[in-house]
Order: sequence, then C-alpha cells, then structure tokens
Amino acid sequence: EVHLLESGGGLVQPGGSLRLSCVASDFTFSSFAMNWVRQAPGKGLEWVSIISGSGDDTYYADSVKGRFTISRDNSKNTLYLQMNSLRAEDTALYYCAKGIEALAPGSRILDHWGQGTLVTVSS
Amino acid sequence: DIVMTQSPDSLAVSLGERATINCKSSQSVLYNSNNKNSLTWYQQKPGQPPKLLIYWASTRESGVPDRFSGSGSGTDFTLTISSLQAEDVAVYYCNQHYSFPLTFGQGTKVEVK
Repeated sequence: EVHLLESGGGLVQPGGSLRLSCVASDFTFSSFAMNWVRQAPGKGLEWVSIISGSGDDTYYADSVKGRFTISRDNSKNTLYLQMNSLRAEDTALYYCAKGIEALAPGSRILDHWGQGTLVTVSS
Repeated sequence: DIVMTQSPDSLAVSLGERATINCKSSQSVLYNSNNKNSLTWYQQKPGQPPKLLIYWASTRESGVPDRFSGSGSGTDFTLTISSLQAEDVAVYYCNQHYSFPLTFGQGTKVEVK
C-alpha cells in the first residue's frame, strides 16, 4: 500500500526557513508527479506546488512563488519543500500527495495523501 | 485563476436520506484532449487527510461506496450521497485540475440531522 510520511515541520519565526520532507514507499516514486497541499488551522485546502516525476517541471501557487522550492530525490524516494521568507499566513498543515497517473492531467488528481506536518510561523 | 464555489457551506441530512453538494467553476474545466471534465471531489474527516472520492467529475475511485456519485459538465457539478451513513460525516471539497494553480472549493460540511 502506498505510504507517504511528511516531516520537518515546526515553529519558525517570520522571515525564517524550513525544509519539509516526504518519504514515499510502495510505489515507483520516480514515475509519478508529486504535490504539496496545505491547510491552515480550521480552513480549507490550498494547493502549493507540483513536481513532475523526473523533477524537470514544477509549478507553484502565486502565494508561494519565489519563496518556496519543490524538489525531489528519486534515489531516496523523497519529496522536498524548501520554504524561505516564511510569513504568518504560511502557518498550516502541509500534506504531500501523489498524482493518480504519471503524466498530466492525471498527475493532478491526488489519490494518496500523507498525514501532514505542521508549520507554525510566529514570533 | 479558476474560482471554485461550493454550495451550501453546510448541510444536515437524516441518516438514509440524500445529500447533494454543488460546485461551480468560474470557467469551463472541460479538458479538450479527452473530453472529460477536470473536476475532482475529496472527502476529509476530522483529523484525517483528504481522501479521493470522484475524479473526472463522475469516476468513482476504487473502494468508494456506490452511494457516492458525481455529475455535471462545463462549470456546474454535483456530488450526491444517495443514502447518508454515519461514516459520511465529513467536509467535502471540489477541486479543478484543468489549469494551474489547482484550486479547491471552500468546502461543504455534512452532518447528521
């Protein structure tokens, strides 16, 4: 069964940085696009970013563009999200999620999600 | 960006009764290459990550009970729970994957009356 385990969340001051990780197992990681989706406390879902299976293609929400960088290490079955210049409004539970297919548009249908890692930006 | 608007924000339905959630997109999400609507429904129970229910507007994910169905085309979509069960209490989100950024509706909370 597909398993996704996020880590790296925590409390960080405004302007600070964090790197989130998501370790994947039980599927051919390099064959599937991966996404980050976040959820502020008590709020709805917000898509953050996507990366293709090869890592060559990436897209971002406007709210994080220029501050966040998505990447992956297929040799380690691991997805990353480098978050810089963090703001209070970035406070959220961050989920990694796998696309249902390897290529677009199916890569944007999210069929497996991790449990999330909580990022809190506060002084 | 494509704006997704769900209605209602919440609804309470008796066990065994039908629940209907609507989702409207600010522009068509019909994917021309396969003539399918790029509309997905997710279910999120308290303390859990979202779960994929329906994709391509009407395709039920494997393992999802057949009391869940999706319909609609273009800009107007519906998720129907034909006979509400206690375990269906959750927040339901529609989502478009037609274009970036992917966007979600604000969510509809379903409770038992």
